[in-house]
Order: sequence, then structure tokens, then C-alpha cells
Amino acid sequence: QKEVEQNSGPLSVPEGAIASLNCTYSDRVSQSFFWYRQYSGKSPELIMSIYSNGDKEDGRFTAQLNKASQYVSLLIRDSQPSDSATYLCAVNTGNTGKLIFGQGTTLQVKP
Amino acid sequence: EAQVTQNPRYLITVTGKKLTVTCSQNMNHEYMSWYRQDPGLGLRQIYYSMNVEVTDKGDVPEGYKVSRKEKRNFPLILESPSPNQTSLYFCASSTTGLAGYNEQFFGPGTRLTVL
Repeated sequence: QKEVEQNSGPLSVPEGAIASLNCTYSDRVSQSFFWYRQYSGKSPELIMSIYSNGDKEDGRFTAQLNKASQYVSLLIRDSQPSDSATYLCAVNTGNTGKLIFGQGTTLQVKP
Repeated sequence: EAQVTQNPRYLITVTGKKLTVTCSQNMNHEYMSWYRQDPGLGLRQIYYSMNVEVTDKGDVPEGYKVSRKEKRNFPLILESPSPNQTSLYFCASSTTGLAGYNEQFFGPGTRLTVL
């Protein structure tokens, strides 16, 4: 069974700090990696995608991918209370488009 | 505005009463998919469609049907709903299902309760 693992949290950080969210995956041939943000009762919102090893930055968000270690992470700089949400890691391994989701990490940013 | 829409947003029904949840996207996407989200189980794929007239099962297809007669629409059909289908349902779409080009965008969700 292909799996995506995340620490459920909650991860609590003070406002203005860097939040670091981690994800590991089991299928070595995985090719596409995504981070979604989900507020309670709302739909997942795509915030980052990454396809190759290294870092990808978009505003306050940086995604990091290490395929050798089967590890993907999301850094949120200057965390704001509005960043408080559940962050879902999703991995696509083949050409069926199916995303395999982790359970999500709950982030709490305290003012 | 580019979006995925779902209807209804909330539905309470009884066991065995057929229902359809509609999904529509206005982004000319080839790929569409249905997921359900349950506490402790996360998001799981029910069915997907690579393009018009092509659909296939995801991880949890039992009790569901889909059809893809037009590119923009991908309805989810529950022929005889049961209480274990009580869940939060999401439709998603992307340009394609091919790896590397498949950023999926989600609809607002449909909360279904089957009594």
C-alpha cells in the first residue's frame, strides 16, 4: 500500500516564526508532490507543487523535495494567525492522476 | 472566475434513496476526480476520469457510479445510499492526469448524511 505520512500535530508556533511541516512517502517512483491547505469544513486549497529535487519558493512558502530520502517539506516564513489550518501533503505516483494524501498536520499560529 | 462547483453543498437523505451530486468545472480541464474525506481516514479517491467517456475506479468505488458525457461535468451517483457513505465529498479537476502536469483544484465540497 502506497503511503504518505505526516505528523498530525498540532504544531504550534508563535506569530512571525517559521513553521516547518514534514511529509514522507513510500513509493520511490513518485513524481509529483503537492501541499494543500485546508481550513476546517472547507475544501483543500493548493498552495505549492514541486516536481524536482531542491527548493521551490513562492512568497512566504518554500517547498523542499528530496527524492533520495523520500521526503518533502513545507516551510512557512513569518507565520500569521491566518495560516492556522491543516496542511495536507499529497503525492502522485503514476499517470492516473490519483493523489495519495497524508492525514494532514494541524498548524496553530499564536498571536 | 475559474472554479469547480458542486451541488448540493449539504444533503441529508435516507438509506436507499438514489441521489446525484453534480460537479462542473469551467477551466477546460481534461481530468476530473471524486474524493471522500472521513475523520481518521483522510482523503480517498472514489472515481476518476482522464477525459470524456473515460472513467475508472479509484480506491473506494463500491456503492458509487460516475459518468463523463461532457468535458465540464462529472456527476457522482449513489444508486442506493447507505449510512457508511455519510461523508464529505470533493470533486477535483486538473489539466491532465499525467504526472508532472496534474495540479488538482477542488470544489467546495458536499456534506452528505445518510440516515
